Amino acid sequence: SQTIHQWPATLVQPVGSPLSLECTVEGTSNPNLYWYRQAAGRGLQLLFYSVGIGQISSEVPQNLSASRPQDRQFILSSKKLLLSDSGFYLCAWSRRGGETQYFGPGTRLLVL
Amino acid sequence: AQKVTQAQTEISVVEKEDVTLDCVYETRDTTYYLFWYKQPPSGELVFLIRRNSFDEQNEISGRYSWNFQKSTSSFNFTITASQVVDSAVYFCALSERYSGGGADGLTFGKGTHLIIQP
Repeated sequence: SQTIHQWPATLVQPVGSPLSLECTVEGTSNPNLYWYRQAAGRGLQLLFYSVGIGQISSEVPQNLSASRPQDRQFILSSKKLLLSDSGFYLCAWSRRGGETQYFGPGTRLLVL
Repeated sequence: AQKVTQAQTEISVVEKEDVTLDCVYETRDTTYYLFWYKQPPSGELVFLIRRNSFDEQNEISGRYSWNFQKSTSSFNFTITASQVVDSAVYFCALSERYSGGGADGLTFGKGTHLIIQP
């Protein structure tokens, strides 16, 4: 069966510090991968998606970036965090040609 | 542009009552997919159901049922005989046409916080 991992689970960072969140998927090959952000009291917003290694599409311009160095690894990064980057970050995967997305446990980020 | 509206921000019912969560969507595509996800306090989104735009059959899974009506662009979710464990935030989501090998993100509603009181 497929499993999706995210770490860290919780992170508190000062404004201006860098960020690296990692997501890995097990039990499948060539997945589509996604990063979403959920701000407090709001719905989920798609940030990035990837259909393959090195292929990243951005949905919302911001100071975040994403990379996919390996088939089942998706990384969300920032060089300098802003207060507005606080939120709950969810990684998701879907099969190539599949519509359903399955989500990881999420990372809670608090920028102070 | 696609849009999902969940007008009910919060619903509170007593255990064993039936409850319906509303979802209204907007899309220009003729082929699309609708989803419901459950988000318990732990935060992880749990997939509940997916419906294709060309299949309007309602679905029942245990105490859960879904009513898909293209005429009113609605995809409502009913929990029968609610239980405390049903307490969570429920999200309705939409994905427009999906071409093989491509990827489309989900457009989510803002969620309905369901509280089941014992």
